[in-house]
Amino acid sequence: GAGVSQSPSNKVTEKGKDVELRCDPISGHTALYWYRQSLGQGLEFLIYFQGNSAPDKSGLPSDRFSAERTGGSVSTLTIQRTQQEDSAVYLCASSRDTGRTEAFFGQGTRLTVV
Amino acid sequence: EDKVVQSPLSLVVHEGDTVTLNCSYEVTNFRSLLWYKQEKKAPTFLFMLTSSGIEKKSGRLSSILDKKELSSILNITATQTGDSAIYLCAVANAGGTSYGKLTFGQGTILTVHP
Repeated sequence: GAGVSQSPSNKVTEKGKDVELRCDPISGHTALYWYRQSLGQGLEFLIYFQGNSAPDKSGLPSDRFSAERTGGSVSTLTIQRTQQEDSAVYLCASSRDTGRTEAFFGQGTRLTVV
Repeated sequence: EDKVVQSPLSLVVHEGDTVTLNCSYEVTNFRSLLWYKQEKKAPTFLFMLTSSGIEKKSGRLSSILDKKELSSILNITATQTGDSAIYLCAVANAGGTSYGKLTFGQGTILTVHP
């Protein structure tokens, strides 16, 4: 696609429910990144993929968070048993590969846990 | 652990002023430093600076990398209200399992008044 596409753009969920956030990177981009941004805060690294593998998962806040990427393209970030502190904007970015690090961002998913 | 610190955290100026935003970093294996502008949700790419490209300029914006001081500045001359945004600095790691990983600073909130 022309740009990084994320869905949904907004998600309101009840505490304790599971949510799935989707990221469709720019066509041909092999590197994909997930970040989280809470109100007034900087970007918190969650995980990144090179192809389908995730060399660095160190940013996932707890075992309720997981991510996968299949076919070297679309990625899904899953949050199980959501908590109110999970409320944030979840941003996805992609780059041609991790050797060329101009990463381009999607519009994000605003997650609100009530 | 890689670390990026930006200053000031916020800045209020009037149209026509010149501003300088600062970014300092600690990274195990430096690959590049990137500047982004974030107005709503998605950060938009401004510049990438590397050892072979330590100065970039685009219109009223320019940036310089000082590898000796482990820092970078972003200059905006003749500011306009449309420059109001959060400016984010990030560094890319060049080593091991962190190759390509982007670590962001907390951002500088710039407000330009008419």
